[in-house]
Amino acid sequence: GAVVSQHPSRVICKSGTSVKIECRSLDFQATTMFWYRQFPKKSLMLMATSNEGSKATYEQGVEKDKFLINHASLTLSTLTVTSAHPEDSSFYICSARDNRDQPQHFGDGTRLSIL
Amino acid sequence: AQKITQTQPGMFVQEKEAVTLDCTYDTSDPSYGLFWYKQPSSGEMIFLIYQGSYDQQNATEGRYSLNFQKARKSANLVISASQLGDSAMYFCAMREGPNTGNQFYFGTGTSLTVIP
Repeated sequence: GAVVSQHPSRVICKSGTSVKIECRSLDFQATTMFWYRQFPKKSLMLMATSNEGSKATYEQGVEKDKFLINHASLTLSTLTVTSAHPEDSSFYICSARDNRDQPQHFGDGTRLSIL
Repeated sequence: AQKITQTQPGMFVQEKEAVTLDCTYDTSDPSYGLFWYKQPSSGEMIFLIYQGSYDQQNATEGRYSLNFQKARKSANLVISASQLGDSAMYFCAMREGPNTGNQFYFGTGTSLTVIP
């Protein structure tokens, strides 16, 4: 079946550093990729949607300069958390889909901890 | 208004029994898809089952079935013969059609605990 690989699965870093999270589709072309953030005991929050070759569409309240998303190829999207602070600590999940008729396939997520 | 509503924050079921997880949705788009995901403690999201708005029959995948009642806008997940490994968080989700931008919405989730 379709597999989405997300890397790293866990990262711990100091406040002020930038962290890049990769999301790869392994056996299908991910025309669209989605980035979610999960808050404790709450549902996933959609942060942004990216289509290959286009600028990402950010949800209201999500700082585009803070969370840089690049979707340069049909198999790879990256989320860079710039100048990370403790409040950015969270579980980030990417998902991807081939086309509009297909369900999203989720990555395993990245646990980000900012000290 | 909430696009996806899951009214059961927590559910308990005896092992080998069936359990129904509720989900209602709200959309004016005639074309939409409904999904259920399982999220174990590891945090990953596991796709379980999908129902399209134009599908005539309820979707089934192994022990999972989706009780789709279009007029009521409900898409309940039924898990038959519950197993201990079914203990997890379950999310209902909806993707609207192209007319509304293919937006994807998740519910707040239901935590299912299977009791031995």
